[in-house]
Amino acid sequence: DSGVTQTPKHLITATGQRVTLRCSPRSGDLSVYWYQQSLDQGLQFLIQYYNGEERAKGNILERFSAQQFPDLHSELNLSSLELGDSALYFCASSALAGGEQYFGPGTRLTVT
Amino acid sequence: AQTVTQSQPEMSVQEAETVTLSCTYDTSESDYYLFWYKQPPSRQMILVIRQEAYKQQNATENRFSVNFQKAAKSFSLKISDSQLGDAAMYFCAYRADNYGQNFVFGPGTRLSVLP
Repeated sequence: DSGVTQTPKHLITATGQRVTLRCSPRSGDLSVYWYQQSLDQGLQFLIQYYNGEERAKGNILERFSAQQFPDLHSELNLSSLELGDSALYFCASSALAGGEQYFGPGTRLTVT
Repeated sequence: AQTVTQSQPEMSVQEAETVTLSCTYDTSESDYYLFWYKQPPSRQMILVIRQEAYKQQNATENRFSVNFQKAAKSFSLKISDSQLGDAAMYFCAYRADNYGQNFVFGPGTRLSVLP
């Protein structure tokens, strides 16, 4: 158990809909990262937050947005969903000073 | 921009044997961290081992060890006494030691362990 929690574990929704994925980082970690992993693909970095502020942005679509709240949990919002958005979405957290990321179990999103 | 390359999409090893997975990276930074992550069929990402670039000594975690060649920008993972549970995707990752730097992951190597 990495200490990073993600909810829900599975999500099935229809095209055009909007969903919210939630992540709670490990205790004491201020940085949260979101990744997308499609079937048999590598990890695509989406976005990073540090202590409530956006720190780095990767290949995140305009239909996607995220935020980190004062209690440090983060949410990833996906809207106008398309079939191609079906993927495993990981959240990871790390401490401030250069360290490893600890990953949550992921949320498996299926868009039908 | 930093890049991470894993030139072996797939590898296999006989149970109890040793296998080495390759990773090279490109960076202009002098201080950084390197990692190997394992993703078994459950798809959970599990940290295997970590190496700080300023350390000359290669990191070791039980049956897992690395060969870190800073000048060559190479960071290979050696798995000794391979077990069936080692079968997984292995991702090499890089992170610069800069405030807020995101990680860069390689494309992964799928390791099969043969009984």
